[in-house]
Amino acid sequence: DAGVIQSPRHEVTEMGQEVTLRCKPISGHNSLFWYRQTMMRGLELLIYFNNNVPIDDSGMPEDRFSAKMPNASFSTLKIQPSEPRDSAVYFCASSRVEAYGYTFGSGTRLTVV
Amino acid sequence: AQTVTQSQPEMSVQEAETVTLSCTYDTSENNYYLFWYKQPPSRQMILVIRQEAYKQQNATENRFSVNFQKAAKSFSLKISDSQLGDTAMYFCAFRSGGGADGLTFGKGTHLIIQP
Repeated sequence: DAGVIQSPRHEVTEMGQEVTLRCKPISGHNSLFWYRQTMMRGLELLIYFNNNVPIDDSGMPEDRFSAKMPNASFSTLKIQPSEPRDSAVYFCASSRVEAYGYTFGSGTRLTVV
Repeated sequence: AQTVTQSQPEMSVQEAETVTLSCTYDTSENNYYLFWYKQPPSRQMILVIRQEAYKQQNATENRFSVNFQKAAKSFSLKISDSQLGDTAMYFCAFRSGGGADGLTFGKGTHLIIQP
């Protein structure tokens, strides 16, 4: 079991650029979650999917953020255009719907300059 | 909406001592799950322990145990025989029992184990 795999581990980009974060959940897990961690706001749930379908995106901060899950083994979180206030660590986590444990990836540290 | 409160931003203890981290939560639900996650400097989120609200028995995992007081909506974490490797941020988290919803996290407690 390779765990939840996120890429890239670090991303530095200029304001206004498009950023795409990637996540591969654990095989067999059918729920996927995107979180953002900042010093000011802590860990916030952005969006989650069950069986590849977005269930709740109320945590997505604004229209510049979008997430997709085209299949059970891949998800992306896109920010377009990026802004300095988007700088944070973004985590992906997965679980089985009927279970209550969550496994987190190692996160992507995004810096927008 | 549920809220999770950790009132201790930072704690420091000597190696081998016992330390208790506090967590309170607010919910109107009767069925839910509670978690403690550890985040070391590597930033990996590691599940330490979990508790089902319908279980009266407190969960235990080796040196880690919880004191779950459902009526008081309190969920504290006790670390016995603390080790240098326990130095990390510790987050308390809540999950509704209704489905595969996301976790609601507290702000975290920075625990420092001194040699």
